[in-house]
Amino acid sequence: QKEVEQNSGPLSVPEGAIASLNCTYSDRGSQSFFWYRQYSGKSPELIMFIYSNGDKEDGRFTAQLNKASQYVSLLIRDSQPSDSATYLCAVVDSNYQLIWGAGTKLIIKP
Amino acid sequence: ETGVTQTPRHLVMGMTNKKSLKCEQHLGHNAMYWYKQSAKKPLELMFVYSLEERVENNSVPSRFSPECPNSSHLFLHLHTLQPEDSALYLCASSQERGPSGNQPQHFGDGTRLSIL
Repeated sequence: QKEVEQNSGPLSVPEGAIASLNCTYSDRGSQSFFWYRQYSGKSPELIMFIYSNGDKEDGRFTAQLNKASQYVSLLIRDSQPSDSATYLCAVVDSNYQLIWGAGTKLIIKP
Repeated sequence: ETGVTQTPRHLVMGMTNKKSLKCEQHLGHNAMYWYKQSAKKPLELMFVYSLEERVENNSVPSRFSPECPNSSHLFLHLHTLQPEDSALYLCASSQERGPSGNQPQHFGDGTRLSIL
């Protein structure tokens, strides 16, 4: 069964530091990779997507993809308390199915 | 209104009740989705509609019955649910259906369902 794995956390990071969230996937033929943020009691919202190996930066967020090692990560620079949320990794596999991870809870401590 | 709107936000029902969840999207998208989200589990895709046609049904029990009367509206009819069906039910939409997942999905805030 194709899987997307995330550490459930919580991951606790001091304000202003870099938060690093990781996601591994089992299907080597996976094509597209998404990071969603979900605040408690709210819906997931897309914050980053990446298709190619390497880094993709958007403001304080950087997505990193390493297809050889089958992991995708999300870095959040200058972490703010408002970044505290659950971060969901989602992967389009070789059958074009969107597979979700269970999410990592991130807590930014003031 | 903009985005994806779900009603009701909270629903408590007995196992013998019949109720419906409603989703409406104002984004002009052609694909709509129902997901189930349980605590500490990945999102479970239940149903996918593309241009009002059901294109995916992921082995969902028949006590869940979807309906898509047009590309802006999606319903989930509930009947004779079990306690394990208590969860957050999320509706999402995307511009197109496929290749699936390459289109970012926009979510509603969900319906928190509790089965007594």
